Amino acid sequence: NAGVTQTPKFQVLKTGQSMTLQCAQDMNHEYMSWYRQDPGMGLRLIHYSVGAGITDQGEVPNGYNVSRSTTEDFPLRLLSAAPSQTSVYFCASSRGGFGETQYFGPGTRLLVL
Amino acid sequence: DAKTTQPPSMDCAEGRAANLPCNHSTISGNEYVYWYRQIHSQGPQYIIHGLKNNETNEMASLIITEDRKSSTLILPHATLRDTAVYYCIVRVADTGNQFYFGTGTSLTVIP
Repeated sequence: NAGVTQTPKFQVLKTGQSMTLQCAQDMNHEYMSWYRQDPGMGLRLIHYSVGAGITDQGEVPNGYNVSRSTTEDFPLRLLSAAPSQTSVYFCASSRGGFGETQYFGPGTRLLVL
Repeated sequence: DAKTTQPPSMDCAEGRAANLPCNHSTISGNEYVYWYRQIHSQGPQYIIHGLKNNETNEMASLIITEDRKSSTLILPHATLRDTAVYYCIVRVADTGNQFYFGTGTSLTVIP
């Protein structure tokens, strides 16, 4: 199993541009989530999904959209990037809820100029 | 979910046991203690979790006090590869409820 994969690894955007961060898992996990991590801070939950077709907001959802059309994929969309969205983004999946072991991807480093 | 308090940083000599403390004085009866770690620039990695009994796996041991208000993660023989940020998280082990990571303890293993 590849586990949780994320693309791209690095991205530079200009303010106002849009992009989609990709996340995929091949473990047939129901739960998937997106976190952001800023320097010197812990991870903060952006959005999560408890299964295909179901998504919900986390701690810091503003400026981000998600959808879950398949069990495997959970893309994160930035509609109009802002410098405040410069961060490292991690995708995670788990078999059940957050109480189950979460498996994290390698992260996407995003710089918004 | 109960909040946790961890020291911001710790050092440990290579080959010695690393004991990482976590205070969770407001923990409720159905909340578990989870430990994750994050090696520089990588995604977090699950280590261990427990409810009230001590737990051990191939990576670490988790010691939870009898009143459950604090716990200690023990890495029995720390190596340089154990240098990472260690997160102690307390939450109910069911579906829903978010996972709050906090800022963790930065452990440096010294040669």
